[in-house]
Amino acid sequence: GAGVSQSPRYKVAKRGQDVALRCDPISGHVSLFWYQQALGQGPEFLTYFQNEAQLDKSGLPSDRFFAERPEGSVSTLKIQRTQQEDSAVYLCASSRGTRNVAGELFFGEGSRLTVL
Amino acid sequence: GESVGLHLPTLSVQEGDNSIINCAYSNSASDYFIWYKQESGKGPQFIIDIRSNMDKRQGQRVTVLLNKTVKHLSLQIAATQPGDSAVYFCAETNAGNMLTFGGGTRLMVKP
Repeated sequence: GAGVSQSPRYKVAKRGQDVALRCDPISGHVSLFWYQQALGQGPEFLTYFQNEAQLDKSGLPSDRFFAERPEGSVSTLKIQRTQQEDSAVYLCASSRGTRNVAGELFFGEGSRLTVL
Repeated sequence: GESVGLHLPTLSVQEGDNSIINCAYSNSASDYFIWYKQESGKGPQFIIDIRSNMDKRQGQRVTVLLNKTVKHLSLQIAATQPGDSAVYFCAETNAGNMLTFGGGTRLMVKP
C-alpha cells in the first residue's frame, strides 16, 4: 500500500502474555518512529530508527519493551509480560529523510492493545 | 472504532463558524511546532506547521499563531465543516526529529 501499515489493528492480551506489533513503513523511508498513545492523551515517543540502527530508545517505559528493525524496513515492537498499564494505541510513523523530519512524518493507523 | 479522546476538552462549534483551538507548550527551547488532526481509529494527520522565527502562518482555511513569550500556540479554522470534527493535537520539537505532543482538544461541528 501507499501508506504506513500496522498490524494487528487490535490485540487483546492477558496480563503476562508477550505481544508483537508490526509496522511496514512507506517504501524507501529511512526514519521510523514508534509512539504510544494512551486513551485521551497525545502520543508519547518510544523509539526511533534510522535504517536498521536504533538511534534513540529513551522513551521505552521499561525493559519489557523492545523494538527492532533488522533489515531497515519492517519494524517490530515487542512487549514482554504485558501489564494493564501497557494498554494503549501504538503508532508507527516513517519519513524519507534523516534530519529534521518532524514535519515529514506519515503515521500509520495504530495497533490498539488491550491488556486484561 | 476506537476513540482517542474520551476525556479530552471539547470545543463545539456551529457549521460555518470559525474555530480556535489553543495549546500551551512547555519547552522554551522548542523551535518547530506542528498541528495534527486525528480522526477516530486513525493516526495523526499533519495540518500546518510553524517555526519559532515566525508568529503566524496561513494555510488553506487554517492559520497557526505562535506566541513565544507566553509559550502559546493556536489553530484557527475558518468556516468550520463537519469533516473538521476530530481531535487536534499540537506538537513541538527542538531537535527536529522527536515530537512532544500536547494533550489534545476534541472539535465537534454541529450541522
